[in-house]
Amino acid sequence: KAGVTQTPRYLIKTRGQQVTLSCSPISGHRSVSWYQQTPGQGLQFLFEYFSETQRNKGNFPGRFSGRQFSNSRSEMNVSTLELGDSALYLCASSPPGVGGWNTEAFFGQGTRLTVV
Amino acid sequence: DQQVKQNSPSLSVQEGRISILNCDYTNSMFDYFLWYKKYPAEGPTFLISISSIKDKNEDGRFTVFLNKSAKHLSLHIVPSQPGDSAVYFCAASASNFGNEKLTFGTGTRLTIIP
Repeated sequence: KAGVTQTPRYLIKTRGQQVTLSCSPISGHRSVSWYQQTPGQGLQFLFEYFSETQRNKGNFPGRFSGRQFSNSRSEMNVSTLELGDSALYLCASSPPGVGGWNTEAFFGQGTRLTVV
Repeated sequence: DQQVKQNSPSLSVQEGRISILNCDYTNSMFDYFLWYKKYPAEGPTFLISISSIKDKNEDGRFTVFLNKSAKHLSLHIVPSQPGDSAVYFCAASASNFGNEKLTFGTGTRLTIIP
């Protein structure tokens, strides 16, 4: 079974530009979450999508947005890039929970975004 | 407000000995806890999890202990091996929120000394 695939792996953008990152979840997984990892901050939750609907959102400005398609693939977009947006962006997919319990999330390798 | 805390940024352990990584949480709604291992430039890899109805879960060399009254969990790795050198993240979620949001700690860098 293929894992979570994120594209591109690396990206360099200029301040003020916008960027779109893509994530293909594991087949059968309907929940897709996005996280930002920066040094010293750990992994910060951006948002989660389930069946094309945003189910939860973290504390990030409106410049960060996402969407999910009917095949569960997801994209996240960052507009008006700032230097501080340089980070590793990770996508994770989760299988359906059992008995109301959550399950583990499976992560992709991430997209390393550098804003210059 | 850091709801999941890993107070030790780094830990060094001799090969063959036990590694103990600690994690504290503040949100009493959390009922599912996970440990992830991360190498540089890669995504986190799931290691082991525990739900709040248990106080221990074991998988090979990895054991997670949960103390709900203290809001504390720990990961034990025994025996420690050089390949265990990585950053370990503790994460928590609340199943009754009906979502898969994970709240992560800031990680502990484990170094196994040969």
